[in-house]
Amino acid sequence: DAGVIQSPRHEVTEMGQEVTLRCKPISGHDYLFWYRQTMMRGLELLIYFNNNVPIDDSGMPEDRFSAKMPNASFSTLKIQPSEPRDSAVYFCASNPIGGGEQFFGPGTRLTVL
Amino acid sequence: SQQGEEDPQALSIQEGENATMNCSYKTSINNLQWYRQNSGRGLVHLILIRSNEREKHSGRLRVTLDTSKKSSSLLITASRAADTASYFCATDKNAGNMLTFGGGTRLMVKP
Repeated sequence: DAGVIQSPRHEVTEMGQEVTLRCKPISGHDYLFWYRQTMMRGLELLIYFNNNVPIDDSGMPEDRFSAKMPNASFSTLKIQPSEPRDSAVYFCASNPIGGGEQFFGPGTRLTVL
Repeated sequence: SQQGEEDPQALSIQEGENATMNCSYKTSINNLQWYRQNSGRGLVHLILIRSNEREKHSGRLRVTLDTSKKSSSLLITASRAADTASYFCATDKNAGNMLTFGGGTRLMVKP
């Protein structure tokens, strides 16, 4: 298996623009997670899905952030409008069952100018 | 807020030495996990220890868990330059999927 796939790997955009990050989980994994990593706040869970349904989005910072999972093999995290403080590395992770090891993608480094 | 706090924040050792990293957490947990992150990469799972376990081994890794002190330690024996990375502990409170990560320990192993 190719592991968790994220695209793009790097994104540079200007403040106010819409940003869409994409994730393909490992086939057969029922859970998908979006994390954000910054120097100041460390690694934070934003939202997670079970069988394509959002379960907990309490970590989503504000309404500018939204996440969808239209099917078992694809998820998006959208920021609209983007702000410089959104600059971070965004990780997607998946796992097959509740609890246990999570498998992380390589991350998307977002820079908002 | 971060559930786990790693100590030290940074550690520099010579190849062949042992490296010990500690993690403290605040609330009761179901399990605790350790992850490694190489620079510019995603996190890689190393080991999981459940709340009813006290010690676990995996190759050169040894993890201990003391639930009375709400702390865990990760020992890497006979370190190698390739072990240079950041190491994070993550707690799972209820066997669900809400992992809370600590701030990490940056380990540098000098050849």
